Amino acid sequence: DIQMTQSPSFLSASVGDRVTINCKASQNINRYLNWYQQKLGEAPKLLIYNANSLQTGIPSRFSGSGSGTDFTLTISSLQPEDVATYFCLQHNSWLTFGSGTKLEIK
Amino acid sequence: VQLVESGGGLVQPGKSLKLSCSASGFTFSSYGMHWIRQAPGKGLDWVAYISSSSGTVYADAVKGRFTISRDNAKNTLYLQLNSLKSEDTAIYYCARSRTGIDYWGQGVMVTVSS
Repeated sequence: DIQMTQSPSFLSASVGDRVTINCKASQNINRYLNWYQQKLGEAPKLLIYNANSLQTGIPSRFSGSGSGTDFTLTISSLQPEDVATYFCLQHNSWLTFGSGTKLEIK
Repeated sequence: VQLVESGGGLVQPGKSLKLSCSASGFTFSSYGMHWIRQAPGKGLDWVAYISSSSGTVYADAVKGRFTISRDNAKNTLYLQLNSLKSEDTAIYYCARSRTGIDYWGQGVMVTVSS
């Protein structure tokens, strides 16, 4: 089974900051990595699919990079509405999730 | 696209429960669907998958106890949970299979306790 290690688990940043969240796969997953945002009480929302493709309707301040085993989600300029938990999902071999990153505004 | 789960609640160990997921806004019969769960304070775990042609796959933790099914005429996905254990306590999400998962429901809580 493929394991996903996500870091950090908690992140506090100021409005306007550049924020990065990482996921590392236990083996090569090519580019089969998605990023999601989940706000309290809401369904998770797809932000990035296949490592670096922006889902329709998602602001361009969100971007994804990486391939193989190491992946990054970047928020270029943090906004108050970005407070949420973010998690990754590998879909190269069934589905495995990262443990999540709780993002708050400093 | 909208996915709405229902059927959760409090159930005793060893008992059964059936979850439903009502789908709208897309051609339900054309997509595979997943159930995923998240235990309190834990990460997300994939539970089961059903293809558009009703082929099924289960996680080892639920194999033989849970059954995923679908009724395309009703645009509804189901998860039958039997022989429930305390470790099955979780929020259960249904999700659409496309490039991994593209849409999720809000989830339904299942609590297994005496």
